[in-house]
Amino acid sequence: DAGITQSPRHKVTETGTPVTLRCHQTENHRYMYWYRQDPGHGLRLIHYSYGVKDTDKGEVSDGYSVSRSKTEDFLLTLESATSSQTSVYFCAISWGGDDEKLFFGSGTQLSVL
Amino acid sequence: RKEVEQDPGPFNVPEGATVAFNCTYSNSASQSFFWYRQDCRKEPKLLMSVYSSGNEDGRFTAQLNRASQYISLLIRDSKLSDSATYLCVVPNNNDMRFGAGTRLTVKP
Repeated sequence: DAGITQSPRHKVTETGTPVTLRCHQTENHRYMYWYRQDPGHGLRLIHYSYGVKDTDKGEVSDGYSVSRSKTEDFLLTLESATSSQTSVYFCAISWGGDDEKLFFGSGTQLSVL
Repeated sequence: RKEVEQDPGPFNVPEGATVAFNCTYSNSASQSFFWYRQDCRKEPKLLMSVYSSGNEDGRFTAQLNRASQYISLLIRDSKLSDSATYLCVVPNNNDMRFGAGTRLTVKP
């Protein structure tokens, strides 16, 4: 299994509070991604990174920000959580370029009450 | 139209059956395609890659029809352990577009 660790695994928070999810990899992959998974929608890309301090928006980036200060860490922040951000969040990594295979972390179940 | 659409399922089949899932995509420029498997409450894991007309790996066969823009996944001799949700994935620039998944349950 790819060395990807997500923390926390579960989080319950209140509307309006900030939340940060962490993704840590030990594989030295260049690309890192944050997806959310909701019933009926499949996985949707929030943000991705193609290198240290290089990030870009995905399909559903509103309300989220990211940072990547080291190759191995990719942080996802909800500045002010809303109930619509209740979801399962997956981090993924890939080599990029011609190798598009994704390897996923175990996911974070976030509930915003 | 969604970028990636899959049979909604669920598919309930007996052990030993052959089952096929279809997936249609809208981006005609896509060159590669993937099937991922996701067990309940687990992360998706790569099952197969499809780069040309098709790919076969043991009991699993993936086929690509570029003219009609669909991909299929065929599972022969189904096992109980094949029970999972199967996700069709199509690259779109730096994004991977996922289908909502097809749920398969293999019963004894």
